[in-house]
Amino acid sequence: QKEVEQDPGPLSVPEGAIVSLNCTYSNSAFQYFMWYRQYSRKGPELLMYTYSSGNKEDGRFTAQVDKSSKYISLFIRDSQPSDSATYLCATSGNSGYALNFGKGTSLLVTP
Amino acid sequence: GAGVSQSPSNKVTEKGKDVELRCDPISGHTALYWYRQSLGQGLEFLIYFQGNSAPDKSGLPSDRFSAERTGGSVSTLTIQRTQQEDSAVYLCASSLEPGLAGGVSGELFFGEGSRLTVL
Repeated sequence: QKEVEQDPGPLSVPEGAIVSLNCTYSNSAFQYFMWYRQYSRKGPELLMYTYSSGNKEDGRFTAQVDKSSKYISLFIRDSQPSDSATYLCATSGNSGYALNFGKGTSLLVTP
Repeated sequence: GAGVSQSPSNKVTEKGKDVELRCDPISGHTALYWYRQSLGQGLEFLIYFQGNSAPDKSGLPSDRFSAERTGGSVSTLTIQRTQQEDSAVYLCASSLEPGLAGGVSGELFFGEGSRLTVL
């Protein structure tokens, strides 16, 4: 079993829709949870991170962590075509520096 | 340049050849990471350098893979006797500090990657 599981999609939504992206992880010791966004042929860039459980909001983006169920979510409100990208969830690993990444979910927002 | 620079951006090689991939991290970043992204797979950790400490090589998939970091800056990932399963995008990242203790200081900044195709 991989440390982080993520449905690869693809996910296609119309502009303006609310998008929900999800991951599960296996190790209850993980404390840091991140979402990276990767545009085609580019490197991933950090979108949001959270520590332990709870919600974090940044503009149209909300990251949510439920440690009791080992579930990580990213919500995108009022989705835009520019949000079309691959979204990778990640957790801190046992080393504290090597991150465990999911496979990424490919999102397409159509005008 | 302000970002992490990787070269070559694309490399096509024949099975059995050696390849070298280069990473120039953001100036002042002490931590440097190599990840591999294969088609349909997530990012796979390969190796980690922090300052003058011994690197963490625990993610290297075989002894055909090696990496070095000279002068605490530029890093080279070498793959010897390449195999078709080595085909992937090799991503380099750097961070100001290792880990995430204390907040985003451990944020990874990725380069655009070196796309390796082994025929």
